[in-house]
This record gives sequence, structure tokens and C-alpha cells, in this order.
Amino acid sequence: SQQGEEDPQALSIQEGENATMNCSYKTSINNLQWYRQNSGRGLVHLILIRSNEREKHSGRLRVTLDTSKKSSSLLITASRAADTASYFCATALQGGSEKLVFGKGTKLTVNP
Amino acid sequence: DTAVSQTPKYLVTQMGNDKSIKCEQNLGHDTMYWYKQDSKKFLKIMFSYNNKELIINETVPNRFSPKSPDKAHLNLHINSLELGDSAVYFCASSQIRLRGETQYFGPGTRLLVL
Repeated sequence: SQQGEEDPQALSIQEGENATMNCSYKTSINNLQWYRQNSGRGLVHLILIRSNEREKHSGRLRVTLDTSKKSSSLLITASRAADTASYFCATALQGGSEKLVFGKGTKLTVNP
Repeated sequence: DTAVSQTPKYLVTQMGNDKSIKCEQNLGHDTMYWYKQDSKKFLKIMFSYNNKELIINETVPNRFSPKSPDKAHLNLHINSLELGDSAVYFCASSQIRLRGETQYFGPGTRLLVL
């Protein structure tokens, strides 16, 4: 079974609202990353949070990490129609190789 | 000035054929990857190369053979294509060989096997 699981699978909100996506994982990690994928495009890196960090901000993005619960959340504030995309969490396993393990993603739709 | 580029963007072919997908990165990165994304959007790593050396091979059928002529290029050759190979294949690169370094993705190659 895969390492990361995003929740919810799909989320539909109105422009201006906040969007929260969650990611749970199973084994200890070095870091956790969030990526965005627009329809028909490649993945774009959004933010990386290390295992010794609890919260990180980047513009309208806020990521939290709770290693005791093995979970992370991505908050997008004041959402825009352009935020419509799939969002994936990816974990770098502690003691593991260079690979990232991706979850199945949350499909976010922001309605104008 | 595309960072990670892939060709072709679309590939439609018959079962049993052999095809190649090319990837190039101009970021000066040492490590490159191939991923497969299935119809349910699940993204799974296939291979990783560091400075032309294979470092990850994730139980991929040996019909898939990656080739890295230099550290800026990682090509994927697929022999005897099967229906189940239909997917989107992404190339990615990262700066240095550290655990979980940020990866930069290409636009993907959409492969459809008929």
C-alpha cells in the first residue's frame, strides 16, 4: 500500500474561500512536499517541510506537519479559480533512497 | 528555456510495437527520474539515474529500459508495448543526490496503446 494518502479525494469551493487538504503517511520521513498538477500538465513543486519543522508558509500557502500523527495539511487561503488543480503530497522516507512516494492527490475545484 | 522537456507529448501506437520517449533537462541537475501516472492519477516512480548511473529501479518489467547518454538526458525505451502501458509518463530531475530533494517535472508524455 502507498505511503501517502490525501483527504479529501475531491474538494469544490467558491473563489475567496479557504481550501484545506490533508495527507497521512505510514512510516518516518525526512521531509514532506506538496505538488500541484494542473490538468494535462506536469507537477509543480509548491513547498517542502522537513521532519523537524511544524509549520511553513509560502504566499497564500500554509503547510503544517505533525510527525506524531504522521499527517500534514495544506491550506490555501483566499482561493482563486487559477488554484483549480490536483494537489499531491510526497514523502521522502527516513533512511530510504532518493525517491519520493506520492499520494493519489486531492482534486480541488475553485468556482468563480 | 524549458527546464525539463519531453518528446513526444502524445504517442499513440499498436500493441507489440517498440517506442522511445526522450527527456532533457537544462537545469544542470545530477539526478533524473521516470514516473508513470495511471488513469487514477496515481504517480509511481520507475527509474532514477544519478550522473548516468542507475540508482533506483522499481520492479519495472524489463521491457522498459532507461538510457542516460549524459546527465542532462534520460530516455525511456519500451519494447513490445502492452495495453496496460497506456499512461502518462513524466520525467523529472533534482539538483543533487539527497534524500527527498525537490523535483522538477516535465510536461508528460501521454502514451496510448491500442
